[in-house]
Amino acid sequence: DAKTTQPPSMDCAEGRAANLPCNHSTISGNEYVYWYRQIHSQGPQYIIHGLKNNETNEMASLIITEDRKSSTLILPHATLRDTAVYYCIVRVPAAGNKLTFGGGTRVLVKP
Amino acid sequence: GAVVSQHPSRVICKSGTSVKIECRSLDFQATTMFWYRQFPKKSLMLMATSNEGSKATYEQGVEKDKFLINHASLTLSTLTVTSAHPEDSSFYICSAGGDSYEQYFGPGTRLTVT
Repeated sequence: DAKTTQPPSMDCAEGRAANLPCNHSTISGNEYVYWYRQIHSQGPQYIIHGLKNNETNEMASLIITEDRKSSTLILPHATLRDTAVYYCIVRVPAAGNKLTFGGGTRVLVKP
Repeated sequence: GAVVSQHPSRVICKSGTSVKIECRSLDFQATTMFWYRQFPKKSLMLMATSNEGSKATYEQGVEKDKFLINHASLTLSTLTVTSAHPEDSSFYICSAGGDSYEQYFGPGTRLTVT
């Protein structure tokens, strides 16, 4: 599986945009970038995924660089409830639904 | 999104006993279910993949005789921790996937072995 690298932690201010980077320099052409988050003592929650194009949904935006070696998850207006560990995962189609979690980024939204 | 439940949410058992954790997909048929384990302040570690009606595929280093997985129907998978020991205390999370590539996670089960 392509490995991902994320900063271990970051703080952001409530109401401001949170930009979470992820490096996946060994990603292959058919591998998707997925983002999940895990609030303390809960199961992971799906946020968004993409292949090549930028994606947006009601939770976040995903910006993927043209060479696909990195991506950024954007939470447009962070709230205190967005405090969580955010995981960037590269999914290999040949592995089906299997997801391999890395260390993630522990995001603390401060008032 | 789809809903996946786990039961129980918390369980305390004595060392040497076995405990069963259920994972149910409530509104879709899950052809594949996954079981993860998570230690405090650590990431999720995949334990095994189970496909309905067939034997589970275990990740390297996970003892299949200790962590029994049954996926008897498209909506239910069970994980049984046999002869539990304190080092098995952890947060166990299941996830379920349907025909698409989406994967939905349960709320987790916190196991404490005393």
